[in-house]
Amino acid sequence: EAGVTQFPSHSVIEKGQTVTLRCDPISGHDNLYWYRRVMGKEIKFLLHFVKESKQDESGMPNNRFLAERTGGTYSTLKVQPAELEDSGVYFCASSLSLLWTPYQETQYFGPGTRLLVL
Amino acid sequence: SQKIEQNSEALNIQEGKTATLTCNYTNYSPAYLQWYRQDPGRGPVFLLLIRENEKEKRKERLKVTFDTTLKQSLFHITASQPADSATYLCALDISWYSGGGADGLTFGKGTHLIIQP
Repeated sequence: EAGVTQFPSHSVIEKGQTVTLRCDPISGHDNLYWYRRVMGKEIKFLLHFVKESKQDESGMPNNRFLAERTGGTYSTLKVQPAELEDSGVYFCASSLSLLWTPYQETQYFGPGTRLLVL
Repeated sequence: SQKIEQNSEALNIQEGKTATLTCNYTNYSPAYLQWYRQDPGRGPVFLLLIRENEKEKRKERLKVTFDTTLKQSLFHITASQPADSATYLCALDISWYSGGGADGLTFGKGTHLIIQP
């Protein structure tokens, strides 16, 4: 079974440009999460989709970040315009449905996209 | 908001010894706590989950304890091997108590474990 995949693996862009990151979750996983790790800091939660709906986007840094999950399958995270502080590693994770359980299922992480904004 | 502290940024252990990593959290006790392993250039990989009503959980050479009084979890690797060298992350999910307001995981910075042959 394929794991969570992310594209691209690396991206180097200039300040002010736009970058779109893609995440393909494990097939059948309703939950999809985006996280980011800035150098020297801990991994931080950005947002959570349940199928195509945004469950929680309280971790999104600002309105330059836009996440979508059309059709409830893959997700994209667009940064427009990119700033220097957006550099870091962006992880995507997925898990099975949360319905009818008080405990969250295990999250399976992708390898991450390393973004460098110059 | 919940904060997590992991005992040290790096830990050097001799092969064959037991490695013990510490995770402390600051606010209310979570419904459960998770440990992940991360290798360079890769995403975190789930290892163990321990619930608030469990004192200890084991999986092969791994053991996790959870003390809600101390607000602490300990992660042990017995008979450590060089292949165990990696960064180990402690993570909490508070969504159950927050009513869905924070569904993601809160991570510590991690402890970089080095097992020396």
